[in-house]
Amino acid sequence: KAGVTQTPRYLIKTRGQQVTLSCSPISGHRSVSWYQQTPGQGLQFLFEYFSETQRNKGNFPGRFSGRQFSNSRSEMNVSTLELGDSALYLCASSLARGGYNEQFFGPGTRLTVL
Amino acid sequence: KNEVEQSPQNLTAQEGEFITINCSYSVGISALHWLQQHPGGGIVSLFMLSSGKKKHGRLIATINIQEKHSSLHITASHPRDSAVYICAVRGGNEKLTFGTGTRLTIIP
Repeated sequence: KAGVTQTPRYLIKTRGQQVTLSCSPISGHRSVSWYQQTPGQGLQFLFEYFSETQRNKGNFPGRFSGRQFSNSRSEMNVSTLELGDSALYLCASSLARGGYNEQFFGPGTRLTVL
Repeated sequence: KNEVEQSPQNLTAQEGEFITINCSYSVGISALHWLQQHPGGGIVSLFMLSSGKKKHGRLIATINIQEKHSSLHITASHPRDSAVYICAVRGGNEKLTFGTGTRLTIIP
């Protein structure tokens, strides 16, 4: 069974641009969560999608948004990029939401904002 | 005070030593996760537990719900165990909150 895939793996953007990252969950998994990892703040929860609906959201500005498609693939978008958005963005999928559900992480997308 | 505290932040040990990494949390949780992150970023889920103890190979994870504390143990440590180990808890809001990680280095 293929693991969680994320594209692209690396991305360089400039301030003010926008970016879209993609995540394909493990087949059969319906929940997709997104996380941001930076050296200063560590890992932080961005949002969770289940059945094409955002179920939970972390403390990030509205520039960060996402969506989930009917095949459970998810995208996240960051508009008006700032230098501080440089980070490793990880997505994770699980069979169902929350509680006692193991999360499987993708390799991440490393975003650099210049 | 962070909701999830890990100790130590850094740990260097000789190959073969018994390793313990601790995680304390301050909120009610439905589950606690131990994750391993190697250089390059990939994260692997090691354990998910809500009570008691779990063992997988040389790795053992325990949790004490009353004391809000969990430990990850590695027996007969090996250089390939060198990684960052991260504790994460899923609270009542269903969000995962992460500790800052423990950087483990095993010297041959």
